[in-house]
Amino acid sequence: SYVVTQPPSVSVAPGQTAKITCGGNNIEGKDVHWYQQKPGQAPVLVVYDVYVRPSGVTERFSGSCSGDTATLNITAVEAGDEADYYCQVWDIRTYHWVFGGGTKLTVL
Amino acid sequence: QVQLQQWGAGLVRPSETLSLTCAVDGGSFSANYWSWIRQAPGKGLEWIGHVKHWGDSFYNPSFKSRVTISEDRSKKQSSLKLTSVTAADTAVYFCARGNSSSYFFDSWGQGTLVTVSA
Repeated sequence: SYVVTQPPSVSVAPGQTAKITCGGNNIEGKDVHWYQQKPGQAPVLVVYDVYVRPSGVTERFSGSCSGDTATLNITAVEAGDEADYYCQVWDIRTYHWVFGGGTKLTVL
Repeated sequence: QVQLQQWGAGLVRPSETLSLTCAVDGGSFSANYWSWIRQAPGKGLEWIGHVKHWGDSFYNPSFKSRVTISEDRSKKQSSLKLTSVTAADTAVYFCARGNSSSYFFDSWGQGTLVTVSA
């Protein structure tokens, strides 16, 4: 089945831009979705369909996709953005939902 | 605004069956995928399976022989049963609503920690 790969961790200073990647074979042909999960909480959708923000999600979160890599960008990072981030795609061949392994964002 | 409320046993003995239920409050029950996802301690999210609104179920091959996900439309509930559990099944289990247009999860239950132990 389809596999997506994320770096285990990303560190960024406050006010800088965090880039979290999600790699997969020709992932630009898929709808990529991103979730934020803070300790002890359920995941929250922050970007869907590559770049669309759900209502209530700050404009600091944005997404892009090209070739084999999708990226979640978080601008002007704040301490409150520290969390685990997961990408997710739908594998239409198998009717399966596929998650990346998650990336822990640390705000220095 | 849809809300998902889940419940079930938090402690299950090895070799027995894990059972969880998820109730949907608000929104349409019939037009979505009702999924179960788990997260082992310190690990990432793992999709277990889903039931679609006309009753078809699809499962992660890692669980296929042990898992059953069903729906009760009259009660607006989804249920998960996982048989022959071992310590490796210890995890937080989430129910989630899968959007049927773009295939993302837009609502999640609060999560249930299930510990497999004698």
